[in-house]
Amino acid sequence: EAGVVQSPRYKIIEKKQPVAFWCNPISGHNTLYWYLQNLGQGPELLIRYENEEAVDDSQLPKDRFSAERLKGVDSTLKIQPAELGDSAVYLCASSYSSYNEQFFGPGTRLTVL
Amino acid sequence: RKEVEQDPGPFNVPEGATVAFNCTYSNSASQSFFWYRQDCRKEPKLLMSVYSSGNEDGRFTAQLNRASQYISLLIRDSKLSDSATYLCVVNRDDKIIFGKGTRLHILP
Repeated sequence: EAGVVQSPRYKIIEKKQPVAFWCNPISGHNTLYWYLQNLGQGPELLIRYENEEAVDDSQLPKDRFSAERLKGVDSTLKIQPAELGDSAVYLCASSYSSYNEQFFGPGTRLTVL
Repeated sequence: RKEVEQDPGPFNVPEGATVAFNCTYSNSASQSFFWYRQDCRKEPKLLMSVYSSGNEDGRFTAQLNRASQYISLLIRDSKLSDSATYLCVVNRDDKIIFGKGTRLHILP
């Protein structure tokens, strides 16, 4: 069974530029998560989807971050414009439901210069 | 007080020893609990769920203490390959909260 796929794996951009990350969850998983992880910290939830509905986006900085999950499958997370403090690893995870085990993708390591 | 707290470590433990660490949570309405393992520069992976009655998987034992609001992870006969960061996860009302993790170094 294929795992959670994310792309790109690495991204280096200059501040004020836009950037987008893509996630393909495990087939059949209704719940999709985007996390941000800084070095030495645990993952911090940005947004959680149940199918195509964003059910928890309370931690998403909506002035610059946006996300979508069209058709309840793939998801895209966008930052526009990026700031230096956005440098981190962005992890996507999926699960059958929010009470089940989450499976993580390899993450996208973002560096903002 | 943070909702989920872990001792960041590092715990430096000789190979073959037993090590245990806890994770405390502040909200008594928390409903489900997990331990994840994260290797350096890798994604987190589920180690084990934590059940009310406690559960064991080989050398690993997880326990839940609802009265004192903590979960624990015990590793017996530690191996070099157990070196990693261990993250606890607490679910409450569909909110998923990760601890910052406890770093474990197994020494040869």
